[in-house]
Amino acid sequence: EVQLVESGGGLVQPGGSLRLSCAASGFTFSSYWMSWVRQAPGKGLEWVANIKQDGSEKYYVDSVKGRFTISRDNAKNSLYLQMNSLRAEDTAVYYCARWSRGRRAFDIWGQGTMVTVSS
Amino acid sequence: EIVLTQSPGTLSLSPGERATLSCRASQSVSSSYLAWYQQKPGQAPRLLIYGASSRATGIPDRFSGSGSGTDFTLTISRLEPEDFAVYYCQQYGSSQTWTFGQGTKVEIK
Repeated sequence: EVQLVESGGGLVQPGGSLRLSCAASGFTFSSYWMSWVRQAPGKGLEWVANIKQDGSEKYYVDSVKGRFTISRDNAKNSLYLQMNSLRAEDTAVYYCARWSRGRRAFDIWGQGTMVTVSS
Repeated sequence: EIVLTQSPGTLSLSPGERATLSCRASQSVSSSYLAWYQQKPGQAPRLLIYGASSRATGIPDRFSGSGSGTDFTLTISRLEPEDFAVYYCQQYGSSQTWTFGQGTKVEIK
């Protein structure tokens, strides 16, 4: 079964750091671009970051540039999001998603992990 | 940056009725890069339509997508109880950015 499972969310103070992980299974992880998408409570979806199959290209939404870093370990079938200098507005459910270049869409999503930035 | 505007914000319909959801882009979007997702409360989004009009695997044929340029439409021909949810359009831009519309909630009337 194709699956993405996120972990690492939690409560963190403003200015703090958190590292999210996403474990992939059921497909050839190293063949796909991977992404993080977030959703603030009661709000819509916002793409956060993407990473190429070999990690050589990374893209970020402007609001997280310089604070968040996306990375991957293809040997471990894992995707990561290092989040530094966290702000209240980063509070959201963070989803790991697979980008299908063939379909040009996010075709597989994890269940999400909640990040709360509050003092 | 391309902005996607979805309308209406909320659509109140009864089971069996037809739903027509709109997604308008601030500039022309390649049809190949326009997708629709469904999200139910407490669940992750699910891909419905890609390439503006192609149904994803396992999506019933009551869901259809159409449009080009700046105007795209998701149509649900006859609403089933499980179709009441929030729907998002999404586009992939040439500047390596991905944007979503703000969503349309389809609720039971």
